[in-house]
Amino acid sequence: AQSVTQPDIHITVSEGASLELRCNYSYGATPYLFWYVQSPGQGLQLLLKYFSGDTLVQGIKGFEAEFKRSQSSFNLRKPSVHWSDAAEYFCAVRGGYSTLTFGKGTMLLVSP
Amino acid sequence: NAGVTQTPKFRVLKTGQSMTLLCAQDMNHEYMYWYRQDPGMGLRLIHYSVGEGTTAKGEVPDGYNVSRLKKQNFLLGLESAAPSQTSVYFCASSYEARMNTEAFFGQGTRLTVV
Repeated sequence: AQSVTQPDIHITVSEGASLELRCNYSYGATPYLFWYVQSPGQGLQLLLKYFSGDTLVQGIKGFEAEFKRSQSSFNLRKPSVHWSDAAEYFCAVRGGYSTLTFGKGTMLLVSP
Repeated sequence: NAGVTQTPKFRVLKTGQSMTLLCAQDMNHEYMYWYRQDPGMGLRLIHYSVGEGTTAKGEVPDGYNVSRLKKQNFLLGLESAAPSQTSVYFCASSYEARMNTEAFFGQGTRLTVV
């Protein structure tokens, strides 16, 4: 069965600094991978997805992620964080019948 | 363009009461899903459906039942609510797997069982 690990429960970044959120997956075949963001009390918003092709994926709000098969990783990055990026971030891998297995999430705090 | 709509958005239940959560999608998606979200646990799959009249168990199905009588609707039922079912419930839908598209999520239902 597939699994997703997000090693960092909380991360604090200064506004304007760069960000990298880690995601490691376990899946038997070529994975389809996603990053979602959730603001407090809100639903899930898709940031970006990887299905195949270019391993560097661009998403919304200036985010990007890089798929590294050798490391089973799909880390999310942003060059300069804004206070509005404070939220919880979830990595997910698609399984059979397009079901999703999510990581436990990383809470991003942005300090002034 | 409504997308995925969940009803209700909030609910408080007493232990032992029953209720049904409704999910409706207007995108003609074949697949539909129910997830629950708990602090520190991410989202976990409860049940899913790959077409009208079909249902299947996910990771955490105990205490829930589902039905998909119409393609656009997916109902999640709690027959006898327990405090452990206090959670935020998300419905999602997607095209069939070969379409290579993402799932679309509803805004969630916050359920408290007291």
